Amino acid sequence: QLQLQESGPGLVKPSETLSLTCTVSGGSISSSSYYWGWIRQPPGKGLEWVGSIYYTGSTYYNPSLESRLTISVDTSKNQFFLKMRFVTAADTAVYYCTRATRSGSHHPDFDYWGQGTLVTVSS
Amino acid sequence: EIVLTQSPGTLSLSPGERATLSCRASQSVSSSYLAWYQQKPGQAPRLLIYGASSRATDIPDRFSGSGSGTDFTLTISRLEPEDFAVYYCQQYGSSPLYTFGQGTKLEIK
Repeated sequence: QLQLQESGPGLVKPSETLSLTCTVSGGSISSSSYYWGWIRQPPGKGLEWVGSIYYTGSTYYNPSLESRLTISVDTSKNQFFLKMRFVTAADTAVYYCTRATRSGSHHPDFDYWGQGTLVTVSS
Repeated sequence: EIVLTQSPGTLSLSPGERATLSCRASQSVSSSYLAWYQQKPGQAPRLLIYGASSRATDIPDRFSGSGSGTDFTLTISRLEPEDFAVYYCQQYGSSPLYTFGQGTKLEIK
């Protein structure tokens, strides 16, 4: 059974960098059938796609966040990563790592989710 | 950007009743790229419906999706106690690549 597990600091200071890791178990991150992504949810609010990556390293970012984002992958460790620079209180959210299944050149929905990790931006 | 508007914001029904949730897009969305998710408190969202009308793995057949163009519907034929949750629609393909509706809360009447 595929499992995704987020890890990283739960508290980040304003203007610093948020760094999260998603560890994939029960399946290979190097499969050509999947894309891997990050979605966030501010407390009590809705869902926002952050960005996605393919095992080759190709990335797709939400334009509203792109200037502050880096998503990367380490296939040898079956992990992918999120770095978000210059965070503010507005970046406080539960961050989920996800899997999207490829359909041709598309990857339209998220069929596996991690349990999520709350990241609070505060001094 | 395609904006997805879900209605109603809150739906109050009793177990056994039928639930109809709406998702309206600001521009046409390919039916292949419209999904629905269920989220219970403290849990990650779960994929229910993909391609507007296909049930995801292990999703009961009381859940069904329909629609095309700009109007999509999630129907729960007979509500079970475990169905009371928040439901989100999601589109793929327009920049940003994925957007979600604001959610419909289905609560017990």
